[in-house]
Parts: sequence; C-alpha cells; structure tokens
Amino acid sequence: QVQLVESGGGVVQPGRSLRLSCGASGFPFGSYGMHWVRQAPGKGLEWVAVIWHDGSNKDYTDSVKGRFTISRDNSKNTMYLQMNSLRAEDTAVYYCARDAVECSGGSCYSLFAFDIWGQGTMVTVSS
Amino acid sequence: DIVMTQTQLSSAVTLGQPASISCRSSQSLVHSDGNTYLSWLQQRPGQPPRLLIYKIFNRFSGVPDRFSGSGAGTDFTLKISRVEAEDVGVYYCMQATQFPRTFGGGTKVEIK
Repeated sequence: QVQLVESGGGVVQPGRSLRLSCGASGFPFGSYGMHWVRQAPGKGLEWVAVIWHDGSNKDYTDSVKGRFTISRDNSKNTMYLQMNSLRAEDTAVYYCARDAVECSGGSCYSLFAFDIWGQGTMVTVSS
Repeated sequence: DIVMTQTQLSSAVTLGQPASISCRSSQSLVHSDGNTYLSWLQQRPGQPPRLLIYKIFNRFSGVPDRFSGSGAGTDFTLKISRVEAEDVGVYYCMQATQFPRTFGGGTKVEIK
C-alpha cells in the first residue's frame, strides 16, 4: 500500500528547532520528488519546500528560506524537514506529498501534481 | 509568485445538482514545455488533500467521472456534474508551472 507517514510535530517555543520526518512505503521512494505543504489552523494550503528524487535540487518558499532545510535519505525511504528559528506563523499541520509521475515507453515524467499525501503532523509554535 | 484566486460558491448546493468552481491565475500557466500545470484537489473535513484533476482536465486514478476540469491560460473551472454527499469539503486549485507552487484560497462545497 502506497503510504506517507509524517512524524515529529509538537509544541515548541519561538526561536527553537524541530525536525519533521516523512516515512514512505509501497513505492520506490528514490524515484520520486517530494514536497512539504503546510496548513495553518482554519486556513488554506501553502507549499513549503521540494526536493528532487535524488536530493540534487531543493527549493523553498520565501518565508522559510534560511530557516528550514529539506533533505532525504533514500536508503531509509524517509524525507526530513529541519525547522530552525521557528515563529508563531509557522504553526500549522505539515503534510508531505509525493510528486505524481507517469511512466510510458520506458520513460517516466512528472505530472507536476501531488498524488499521495500523508495525514499530516501538527506543529505549534508558542511560548 | 503566481497568485491563484478562487471564486466562492454563492450558496450551498442541492444534492444531485451541478456545481462549478472557478480559479484564475495572475499569469499564464502555460509552461515552456507547452503543458499547463493546473491541478485540483479536494479536502474533506479532517482529511488531507486528495488529487482530483491534473494538467487542467485529466482525472486522477479512482476519481469519479462526475468531476471534470476545463480551462486554458489563466482561467480554469472544476465542475461536479451531480453533487453527492461525499463531495462536501474544500476544493483547491494549484499551479505547478513555476516555483513556488501556489494554491488558490479554497472553495467550500456544502450541501443544502
């Protein structure tokens, strides 16, 4: 069964750090780009970061650049989000999501959409 | 950044009746490769988002055919031909033509 499971959320004081994990199962994790998306309480979705399938490229939304670091360990089928200097506005449910891929004729192509989502992990930044 | 704007449904929808959700982008979503990377997601209450439609009109695996997507350039629409009780939730459009990926603010579908 294709599945993503986030962990590592919790309550943390402003300025402190937290590391989220996203464990994958049921598919060849190392073949897929992965994303973090967050949702503040009662609000909409906000894309946070992306990492290429092999970790060669990463990108972030401006509000987390310099504070958050996305990484992955394909040998452990796990992606991470290291969050430093946390702020109250980082309070949200953090989801990991898989980049959708379509394969045909021996080649695979990104569909530029997020096809598998985890259940999310809540991060609360509060003193 | 590309700003995605969704219109709000003006009122709750009657079961079995159609619903239409609009999404507009602040610039064309046509990628340099010729594709338009606009997708639609559904988020039921208490659940993570679920992919419904990708590249404007392609239904993802397992999505009922009462859901359809259309549009081009900067204007896009998600239609539900006959709303069912399980369709209650918030619908988001998302552009993946460029980074950062951006989402519309969401449109809530409620049943009368």
